[in-house]
Amino acid sequence: QVQLQESGPGLVKPSQTLSLTCTVSGGSISSGGYYWSWIRQHPGKGLEWIGYIYYSGSTYYNPSLKSRVTISVDTSKNQFSLKLSSVTAADTAVYYCATQVRWNPFEYNYWGQGTLVTVSS
Amino acid sequence: DIQMTQSPSSLSASVGDRVTITCQASQDISNYLNWYQQKPGKAPKLLIYDASNLETGVPSRFSGSGSGTDFTFTISSLQPEDIATYYCQQYDNLPPTFGQGTKVEIK
Repeated sequence: QVQLQESGPGLVKPSQTLSLTCTVSGGSISSGGYYWSWIRQHPGKGLEWIGYIYYSGSTYYNPSLKSRVTISVDTSKNQFSLKLSSVTAADTAVYYCATQVRWNPFEYNYWGQGTLVTVSS
Repeated sequence: DIQMTQSPSSLSASVGDRVTITCQASQDISNYLNWYQQKPGKAPKLLIYDASNLETGVPSRFSGSGSGTDFTFTISSLQPEDIATYYCQQYDNLPPTFGQGTKVEIK
């Protein structure tokens, strides 16, 4: 059973870079076949897909965030990370990491518990 | 991006009632649609994949149907533990997008 756990600062100042890490247990990122995603949820709102990474390092980002997003993977630590630059209050959200069970990289069976990131000075 | 429109945005029903939520895509997405349940303070949980397939371990009172642009999610007999917000999600086109959610409450 794969488990995901987000970690990182809960408060980020405007214009700075938001950095989060997702630690994977119960499975190996480098085993292949799975895509590792970030999804966020603004307070009281719906879900927004941020992007994903494959263990090889290939990525795809939501075009709406692409200029500010970097997702990276550290297979030695079984972790993947999210960086979002030049944040504003509009980036305040609960950030989830997620992955799939079957072949479909957009079918999220496993989720972290989510971490609230507030952008404020 | 493909827009997903759910209706209603909220509903109130009695225990045992049949509950139906609809999700409309802004263009044809075949059957590339998932349904999730999210309880307050928790991560979403996958209930239905590929429009009509019940995820392992999910009670059979949950079901999904549809293809193309129009989809339906049904709870055949509402239970108290079904109180949650339900989201549809398309993955036919990138980026995957979600509906705005339907909040289900007990009357």
